Amino acid sequence: GEQVEQRPPHLSVREGDSAFITCTYTDPNSYYFFWYKQEPGASLQLLMKVFSSTEINEGQGFTVLLNKKDKRLSLNLTAAHPGDSAAYFCAVSDDRGSALGRLHFGAGTQLIVIP
Amino acid sequence: DMKVTQMPRYLIKRMGENVLLECGQDMSHETMYWYRQDPGLGLQLIYISYDVDSNSEGDIPKGYRVSRKKREHFSLILDSAKTNQTSVYFCASTPTGTGGFGPGTRLTVL
Repeated sequence: GEQVEQRPPHLSVREGDSAFITCTYTDPNSYYFFWYKQEPGASLQLLMKVFSSTEINEGQGFTVLLNKKDKRLSLNLTAAHPGDSAAYFCAVSDDRGSALGRLHFGAGTQLIVIP
Repeated sequence: DMKVTQMPRYLIKRMGENVLLECGQDMSHETMYWYRQDPGLGLQLIYISYDVDSNSEGDIPKGYRVSRKKREHFSLILDSAKTNQTSVYFCASTPTGTGGFGPGTRLTVL
């Protein structure tokens, strides 16, 4: 089955710097890709959902890159601020165009942004 | 506003006791999920429900069962809880985040 590896497990950056998190997956048929943010004691908040056909996705203060050839999904938080301190999880789904897919999660990255 | 609810939010049980975790959603989503989250492991899928009385095992179903008698409610049951089932349990409706995850239930089994 699908294996999702996320790196790094812990990341500290200074305010204003970029924070880069990467996930690799194994199933070439994976089609939907997700990034979630989880603050301490809270639930998961969807940052972005990426479709297989889209390589670069811009969000508010971050960019998500999808490289299907290398089976790699990346999250780049540009100009990080202390409010970005949280755990970040990637997830991969192998279903197309339906809500029936299973999400396979990475183990998470604990990000600390130092003021 | 779309919402997934979970009850209770915190629960402490003794080993061998039965545990019932409840999840509700008000969006009439057909598909619902139960995950558990442990440090360093991300979220692991326990069960999926595709609709009323249509449930399927996830990746770690052992020690759990589920019940879905109404579309808006999905229950996770631990018969004779074990200490290694101490975890945070999340319910979700649809995998895409459009329905979202519930707030979680922190279960401690002593």
